[in-house]
Amino acid sequence: DAGVIQSPRHEVTEMGQEVTLRCKPISGHNSLFWYRQTMMRGLELLIYFNNNVPIDDSGMPEDRFSAKMPNASFSTLKIQPSEPRDSAVYFCASTLAGGRLFFGPGTRLTVL
Amino acid sequence: DAKTTQPPSMDCAEGRAANLPCNHSTISGNEYVYWYRQIHSQGPQYIIHGLKNNETNEMASLIITEDRKSSTLILPHATLRDTAVYYCIVRPPGMDSSYKLIFGSGTRLLVRP
Repeated sequence: DAGVIQSPRHEVTEMGQEVTLRCKPISGHNSLFWYRQTMMRGLELLIYFNNNVPIDDSGMPEDRFSAKMPNASFSTLKIQPSEPRDSAVYFCASTLAGGRLFFGPGTRLTVL
Repeated sequence: DAKTTQPPSMDCAEGRAANLPCNHSTISGNEYVYWYRQIHSQGPQYIIHGLKNNETNEMASLIITEDRKSSTLILPHATLRDTAVYYCIVRPPGMDSSYKLIFGSGTRLLVRP
């Protein structure tokens, strides 16, 4: 299995631009998670989906952030408009059940 | 908020056992203890989990005290590639809205040559 796939791996953009991060979970997994990691705040859970339905988005920082999962094999995390404080590594993870999550390699976002 | 307490850093010599402690004194009866690690510039990686019995797999052993208020992750023969941040996490079973894998600050393990 290819594991969780994230794209792009690196993104550099300017403040105010729209950013879209993409994730392909492991085939057959029914839950998907978006995490953000910064030096100051560590790993934060932003949102997670179960069977393509958002279950808990309480970690989404503000309305500029939105996440979708149109089908079982694809999810996006969008930031519009982006701000420098959004600079972080964004991880996607998936699982079939329980707490054994499989994380992707992450997308390193830099907002100038 | 994370429900676990871990030392911020530890080190051990290559080839020796690394014993990483975790305190989870407020753990509930149905909560599992999970361990993950994160090697620099990579995503977190699952290591092992347990409820009340000791567990062992190809990566590590997990020792949970009888009162379940603390646990120890054991890497029996640490290698340089085990240098990473190790996270101890407690979570309830199931996938309902109470499910959240909350990462604390972890223990930064340095394996010395």
